[in-house]
Amino acid sequence: GAGVSQSPSNKVTEKGKDVELRCDPISGHTALYWYRQSLGQGLEFLIYFQGNSAPDKSGLPSDRFSAERTGGSVSTLTIQRTQQEDSAVYLCASSLASGPDNTQYFGPGTRLTVL
Amino acid sequence: DAKTTQPTSMDCAEGRAANLPCNHSTISGNEYVYWYRQIHSQGPQYIIHGLKNNETNEMASLIITEDRKSSTLILPHATLRDTAVYYCIVKESNTGKLIFGQGTTLQVKP
Repeated sequence: GAGVSQSPSNKVTEKGKDVELRCDPISGHTALYWYRQSLGQGLEFLIYFQGNSAPDKSGLPSDRFSAERTGGSVSTLTIQRTQQEDSAVYLCASSLASGPDNTQYFGPGTRLTVL
Repeated sequence: DAKTTQPTSMDCAEGRAANLPCNHSTISGNEYVYWYRQIHSQGPQYIIHGLKNNETNEMASLIITEDRKSSTLILPHATLRDTAVYYCIVKESNTGKLIFGQGTTLQVKP
């Protein structure tokens, strides 16, 4: 079946612009996670959705970052007034539920470059 | 912070078994151990997970010690395509979020 998809695959933007990154989870998956991986760094958690609500936003690095999920499916990560340090690969993952025995499956990521 | 420690890098000869160790001494009773790998900055690929019993699937085997403080991922016949960064993760039981460490870079050599 179809896996997690993300769009765009690559995004180049100028400092100060806003960007939107999209994640389409696996159909039927209620839990959705955003992570990011900066050059040479490990993956860091950003935000988690259970259905349309976000019980854990603790990884969002600043108030310029926000995310929403509608219809329990597609999620959008928005970065306002982008900075060069926002350059990274943004990864989305989904799982059937959020419990510890539910495997997360990752999408291919969106590579964001802020000039 | 990650709840696991792994060696930074390992080498393995093609065709031989690759044994990747992981320490997770502070793991709680209901937390699972997950293994993912990442090739060339692609999205992480799920390999296997377990709670306390040993597990095997088409990709690998997972051996968890009886006290659950450490585990070993075994790739039975490593190929060049298994060259990747391997992450051992203790998954948070409440939110399910994954806290990644630096992982082990496995280099499979001909």
